[in-house]
Amino acid sequence: ETGVTQSPTHLIKTRGQQVTLRCSSQSGHNTVSWYQQALGQGPQFIFQYYREEENGRGNFPPRFSGLQFPNYSSELNVNALELDDSALYLCASSSRSTGDNEQFFGPGTRLTVL
Amino acid sequence: QQQVKQSPQSLIVQKGGISIINCAYENTAFDYFPWYQQFPGKGPALLIAIRPDVSEKKEGRFTISFNKSAKQFSLHIMDSQPGDSATYFCAARGWNTDKLIFGTGTRLQVFP
Repeated sequence: ETGVTQSPTHLIKTRGQQVTLRCSSQSGHNTVSWYQQALGQGPQFIFQYYREEENGRGNFPPRFSGLQFPNYSSELNVNALELDDSALYLCASSSRSTGDNEQFFGPGTRLTVL
Repeated sequence: QQQVKQSPQSLIVQKGGISIINCAYENTAFDYFPWYQQFPGKGPALLIAIRPDVSEKKEGRFTISFNKSAKQFSLHIMDSQPGDSATYFCAARGWNTDKLIFGTGTRLQVFP
């Protein structure tokens, strides 16, 4: 069984640029959630994708957008990067058909905005 | 009402001791309370979780105690080991959502 994988591991961008982060969900999982974790803080929910549609969104502006593909993998896109977007971006996958719908996290992508 | 408050911010425990981390919540719609462990450079890993219909759940050295009336829950790590040194996050989730609300984290250091 393959766990949640994310790419790239690290990324450096400048203010105003756009970035795309990628996530492959754990085998058998059909739901992907994205979280932003600032240094020294707990993860903050950005949004979730289920059946290729956004299904719940946290308090993040529209320049944060995403996609889910038929194989349940997902992308997070951030436009017009700001310095405060520097953080660890975490992807979590889960399955709505089993148990407590536990979320399993990937290792994250560390984004630095200069 | 969406917050989960976690304490302490940091904790130092001697090997073999008991580590206790506490969390409190306000939203009575929360019905699932997981604890995650995070090592530097890694994503959070699910440790143990509880629903409010039970007051305690134990898995190995890890125990969650849940007090529904006080809206508080805690993680107890028995026989703490240096390998337990990590940041621990409590979280909560409502019955009709997958959105996890995380606490601010507790950095645990276990010294030999």
